[in-house]
Parts: sequence; C-alpha cells; structure tokens
Amino acid sequence: AQRVTQPEKLLSVFKGAPVELKCNYSYSGSPELFWYVQYSRQRLQLLLRHISRESIKGFTADLNKGETSFHLKKPFAQEEDSAMYYCALPFMNNNAGNMLTFGGGTRLMVKP
Amino acid sequence: KAGVTQTPRYLIKTRGQQVTLSCSPISGHRSVSWYQQTPGQGLQFLFEYFSETQRNKGNFPGRFSGRQFSNSRSEMNVSTLELGDSALYLCASSPGGNSYGYTFGSGTRLTVV
Repeated sequence: AQRVTQPEKLLSVFKGAPVELKCNYSYSGSPELFWYVQYSRQRLQLLLRHISRESIKGFTADLNKGETSFHLKKPFAQEEDSAMYYCALPFMNNNAGNMLTFGGGTRLMVKP
Repeated sequence: KAGVTQTPRYLIKTRGQQVTLSCSPISGHRSVSWYQQTPGQGLQFLFEYFSETQRNKGNFPGRFSGRQFSNSRSEMNVSTLELGDSALYLCASSPGGNSYGYTFGSGTRLTVV
C-alpha cells in the first residue's frame, strides 16, 4: 500500500532561517507528488507539484526516487509561511480518478 | 468564478442520528471528492464522484455514503452517527481527469455529542 510520511509534526524556525519540511513516500513506480498548505482559517490549497518543477512563494521541492523523498525547502523563511503543510501522493491504481494519500502534516512556525 | 462551496459550515448532531453534507463544485468541474480530517488520523479519502457515478471509494464503513447530481453537486451522508465521526469534512472538485486540478472547499465541521 502506498504511504506518505511526514516525520515532523512541528517545525519551528526563526525568520530568515532555511526551512526543510520532510516527506517520504512508499510507492514502487514513478510517482506524482504534491505539497498542500493550509494557512490559519483558510482552506487547503495546492502549493506546488513535482511535475511542474516550479517555485511558489520561494518554496521548491525535488523528487528523490532513490531516497523516496519529496522534501519542501525554502532558503529564507518568512513569518507569513507559518501554516500547516501536507505532502500528498495520488492513489495509483487501475481506476482513473482523483484520490490523494496525505501525510500527517507538519506545522511550520516562523518566529520573528 | 465561485469556489467550492460546502454547507453547512458547522453542525452538531447526537449519536445515532444521520447527517447530510452538501458540496457545490466549481462550475464546469465534474469530479467531486470527499475527505475526512481529524487530529488523530489526518486527511483520509472517503470517496469520489464523477458524472454522477462513484468512481473510487476509501476505507470507510458503509454508514458513509454519497451521491452526485446531474449539475455535479454532491452530498455525503453519514448514518447512525458515532462520536468518532466528529471531524472536518472537506470536499474537493476538479475538472475530472486526475488530482492535479483539485480545489478544496472550506469544509463542514461536524461534532457528534
């Protein structure tokens, strides 16, 4: 069964410090992976996805198939980055469809 | 364009009762998925509807059911409520083909007492 693991429930850093939110997955094929973010009192929203290889709000994530990881990084954290972050992997089965397996989430707190 | 709308925002029910939650997707989106979010279990997939048909189902008991109407609006129903059903229920809509176009609603917070 596929699984997504985010080992840290809470990550606290100071403003301006680098940030790395860890995500490991278990899936034998070539996965597509996403990072979702949930700011306080806001809805869950897509931050970035592996296939597009883009940088959103200064965040990047690289897929490492050897380590089965998709860590989210930002070189200089800002206070407005404080939020809950979820790593997600689409269900890979024979059915077409929209289903995601989410990690447990990491709460990022950026202190002034 | 309007986002994904979930109603009601908050709901308090008693054990044993049943509840129906509603989700109106973004106009033109044909797929609606439902997730349960709890502090202990995180985000878990319930089911997905596409063109009025359940296309995928998560690992939840039969008390959890849903349906989709011809205008793509979806409802989920939970019968014989248990205390453990207390959660935030999230709906996500997408154009249809895959997970890439997901847009989430704000959720319905269900409390079972």
